[in-house]
Amino acid sequence: SYVLTQPPSVSVAPGQTARITCGGNNIGSKSVHWYQQKPGQAPVLVVYDDSDRPSGIPERFSGSNSGNTATLTISRVEAGDEADYYCQVWDSSSDHRFGGGTKLTVL
Amino acid sequence: QVQLVQSGAEVKKPGASVKVSCKASGYTFTSYDINWVRQATGQGLEWMGWMNPNSGNTGYAQKFQGRVTMTRNTSISTAYMELSSLRSEDTAVYYCARSGWSNYYDSSGSPKGYYFDYWGQGTLVTVSS
Repeated sequence: SYVLTQPPSVSVAPGQTARITCGGNNIGSKSVHWYQQKPGQAPVLVVYDDSDRPSGIPERFSGSNSGNTATLTISRVEAGDEADYYCQVWDSSSDHRFGGGTKLTVL
Repeated sequence: QVQLVQSGAEVKKPGASVKVSCKASGYTFTSYDINWVRQATGQGLEWMGWMNPNSGNTGYAQKFQGRVTMTRNTSISTAYMELSSLRSEDTAVYYCARSGWSNYYDSSGSPKGYYFDYWGQGTLVTVSS
């Protein structure tokens, strides 16, 4: 089965840039999607197809994907960005897979 | 606006079954697959399966094969997920989610992937004796 690996936690000061990685075998050949989940709430799609943003998601959220690593980048981090972030791919043999999640802490 | 509204919390005994509903509005129910994703307390997201509301076709994660059934009632734009033979490890929040498909295609002409663009609010299922 296809495995996605995320760091358990990332910390960043307000106004700085946060980068959350998602590792997978040849993940660059797949479309990667990212979700933000705040405590007690359902996940929200923040980036799809590696780097596209749904309407209503700030431009501060961006993504990239190449080789064995996809990255979610959050620029000018705000306190309200503190949340868990999950990457997700669809694999024809494994169906949908989620990474283990990364807790973003805003210092 | 697109909305997915789920049924309320459930408490079940081990060995019982639970059926969770997900009512869709704001779009054509039969045009998008409905998926189910669960999350145990303090844990990550776990995909359970998908259903095509138009055809009724389903696909389940191997872990849940034989225990999960996904159905729908198109007349009321509602999807259902039933999980049987419940055990304590099934205690979790269960989400329904609509899936969209990638704007990019692979060499075979298939979408490169699918994502979950709208989610229900979640239904807590507690399994306890």
